[in-house]
Amino acid sequence: QLPLQESGPGLVRPSETLSLTCTVSDGSISSSSFYWGWIRQAPGEKLEWIGTLFFGGSTYFNPSLKSRLSMSVDTSKKQLSLTLRSVTASDTAVYYCARLMYDASGYNWPEIWGQGTAVTVSS
Amino acid sequence: AVWMTQSPSSFSASVGDRVNINCRAGQFVSHYLAWYQQRPGRAPKLLVFGASTLQSGVPSRFGGSGSGTNFTLTIDHLQSEDFATYYCQQYYTYPPTFGQGTRVEVK
Repeated sequence: QLPLQESGPGLVRPSETLSLTCTVSDGSISSSSFYWGWIRQAPGEKLEWIGTLFFGGSTYFNPSLKSRLSMSVDTSKKQLSLTLRSVTASDTAVYYCARLMYDASGYNWPEIWGQGTAVTVSS
Repeated sequence: AVWMTQSPSSFSASVGDRVNINCRAGQFVSHYLAWYQQRPGRAPKLLVFGASTLQSGVPSRFGGSGSGTNFTLTIDHLQSEDFATYYCQQYYTYPPTFGQGTRVEVK
């Protein structure tokens, strides 16, 4: 069983809302030892940081996506959720969730990544 | 956002080679630099964080060095399973940013 597993619709129409979930197979989603992140990679492009979920529920969103983005965690379901509104073709990408380690100063980096889920925005 | 540039973008190597992959940050990122390996169809795998700290379970033939703006990932005695794409990432400032990737191919 993969530690992190993303799931999503595969195909979304332009202007609609993209909803993704990431299922965490162990109990680490409830741990204060980790943060959680979403990252995406469009075809032929660099990996792009989408946002970070900190322990306690606060978030950081990439300014390029902030106005359209929501992220949440449901510890009872062991799931992370990402919602991206008003999608366009430029949102076509493989979307990854990741568990983040952090150091004593709070600097954090992805320790474990999911396999990714491909999303195409097209009519 | 901090621009990250990797060089080369791709190259060919043979099993047993020592290879270096370079990563340059557009501004100071201290030692807050990670390296990842990605094989086709697989999740990225953390190799190095803090510029030089090897992630638990990663073979010792992998090593990271550098600080400030210039970093290097070195693979000693390249193995067949090491043919993959490698990414650097800075996490000193938000948003975290990645290099474009370096693909290591079989010669």
